[in-house]
Amino acid sequence: SQTIHQWPATLVQPVGSPLSLECTVEGTSNPNLYWYRQAAGRGLQLLFYSVGIGQISSEVPQNLSASRPQDRQFILSSKKLLLSDSGFYLCAWDYGDSYNEQFFGPGTRLTVL
Amino acid sequence: QKEVEQNSGPLSVPEGAIASLNCTYSDRVSQSFFWYRQYSGKSPELIMSIYSNGDKEDGRFTAQLNKASQYVSLLIRDSQPSDSATYLCAVNHYTGNQFYFGTGTSLTVIP
Repeated sequence: SQTIHQWPATLVQPVGSPLSLECTVEGTSNPNLYWYRQAAGRGLQLLFYSVGIGQISSEVPQNLSASRPQDRQFILSSKKLLLSDSGFYLCAWDYGDSYNEQFFGPGTRLTVL
Repeated sequence: QKEVEQNSGPLSVPEGAIASLNCTYSDRVSQSFFWYRQYSGKSPELIMSIYSNGDKEDGRFTAQLNKASQYVSLLIRDSQPSDSATYLCAVNHYTGNQFYFGTGTSLTVIP
């Protein structure tokens, strides 16, 4: 069966500090991978998606970046965090088939102070 | 205009009743439709997917899709307190990887 991991689960960072969030998927090959952010009381916002190693598409201009160094690893980064970066960061994957069912990881709750 | 719209609620139903959640979408090229359940502080969990007009049943859950009217709904029969959560509607276009999520409807099932 497939499993998706995210870490850390919770993170408190000062404004201007760097960020690195990691997501890994087990039990499948060549998944599509996604990073979403969910701000308090708001909907899910797609940040990045990747259909393969080294292939990253950005949906929203911001101070965040993403990388996919391995088939089942997806990393979200920032060089300098802003207060507005606070939120619940969710990694998701799908098989890349026509059904498009996306499955979410447990998430990372980020608070920028 | 938002891609996906849901009534934010809160929706309250007594235990054992039918909960009805609705969602409308704006883009006619939308082809795949999903319902996610999100408990407070947790990540969304996929509970139903539907791709063609009509009803799809899975246990106590029934998803209904009407592409002509551009709406999708979720019925929860015999509602339980454990169904209390926020329900997110999502749509996807076959032509891209973009999922469009609604802001969710908060459901409370009262014992």
